[in-house]
Order: sequence, then structure tokens, then C-alpha cells
Amino acid sequence: AQTVTQSQPEMSVQEAETVTLSCTYDTSESDYYLFWYKQPPSRQMILVIRQEAYKQQNATENRFSVNFQKAAKSFSLKISDSQLGDAAMYFCAYSPFSNSGGSNYKLTFGKGTLLTVNP
Amino acid sequence: GAGVSQTPSNKVTEKGKYVELRCDPISGHTALYWYRQSLGQGPEFLIYFQGTGAADDSGLPNDRFFAVRPEGSVSTLKIQRTERGDSAVYLCASSSSGGAGDTQYFGPGTRLTVL
Repeated sequence: AQTVTQSQPEMSVQEAETVTLSCTYDTSESDYYLFWYKQPPSRQMILVIRQEAYKQQNATENRFSVNFQKAAKSFSLKISDSQLGDAAMYFCAYSPFSNSGGSNYKLTFGKGTLLTVNP
Repeated sequence: GAGVSQTPSNKVTEKGKYVELRCDPISGHTALYWYRQSLGQGPEFLIYFQGTGAADDSGLPNDRFFAVRPEGSVSTLKIQRTERGDSAVYLCASSSSGGAGDTQYFGPGTRLTVL
């Protein structure tokens, strides 16, 4: 079974600085997707960024970028120029990919990292 | 609608009672998912609908939990004989097709408290 581990329960960063959130996962699959979701106090999970495992290039979305290390099964999220609105719970998630279908839709989440942004 | 909506936002019930949680997905999305998020945990998969049918209900914890999506849009998660351990936030998500890597859009969840 796939597992996702986020080893940092809490992180803090000063406004305008950079922070990196860690995520490791365990899978025997060769193809899969990885995601970072943000969950503010409103509870609504918002997709921040996604990465296809077959793509070697790291995904970027504005101030958010990932460091995807497939061999190490590591998928960290870097937030640059941190803003007060970035404060939230961040979840790393995995979903498999199989040409034969299977449970391609099923997201497996880590326990999350609570990010605090200090003004 | 513009996004996934869930009602009620909060539900408090007594042990042993029956509850229904509603999810209204993004219009046109054929795939719908339910997850449960316990305190201090990430969401855990409960059930996946493709259209009207439950394609995968392997995450439902026991037979007290049931979900329906009769017309392929709105879904209802039903919990019978609630227990204190059922207290959690129940999240609903939808996606356009349910295919690999399909982005799942989440609702704000229903916080269920069983006294």
C-alpha cells in the first residue's frame, strides 16, 4: 500500500522569505501523480501544485515550486516570497497511475504540515 | 455552481442517531469522491462515484456508512447508528472524469460531532 509521510508537523517562516515543506512517499508503482494541497481554516482543500512522476522537470506555479526526487521518493514544496495568506495546513498527496485503470482516482494524503507566516 | 458545496457546514448529533450529509459537485463533473478527515490527520478515502454508480466503496469503514448519487450529480453520505468515533470532517470532491491525475476539487466539508 502506498504511504505518504510529512515529517514536519509545524513550520514557520517570516513574511517575504522562503520555506520548504518535506514529503516522502512509498510506492512500488513506476508511474503516479503527486500533489500539494493547501487547507486554510475554512477547511476547503485547494490544489497548489501537481507533478507527474514521468516528467523529470520540477513543476512550478508562480511562487510555488517542487523538488521531485523520484529515486529518493521525495517531493518537497518550496514557497518563495512567503505571504500572510500562505498560512495554512499543507498536505502532500499521491495517486497511482495505471494504464489498466485500477484506483487511479484515489488520493492518499500525508498528515499535513501547519505553516505559520510571521509578519 | 461555481464550486463544490456541502451541507450542513456543521452537524451535531447524539450517539445512535442517523445523519445525512449532502454534496453538490461542480456542474458537469462525472466523478465524485467522499473523504473523512479526523482531527490531526489527512483526509482518508471513503468512496468514489462515476456517474450514478459507486465504482469503489472500499474506504467505507463498516456497513453503517452508505452513500448514493441517484441522478449522477448530488450525493448523500448516510451514517446510521452514529458513534462518537464517527466525529470528523467529511469532505466531498469532484473531478471532470475520474481519470489518472484528474484534479479533484474539494468542498468546505461538513464537521460532524457525535455526542
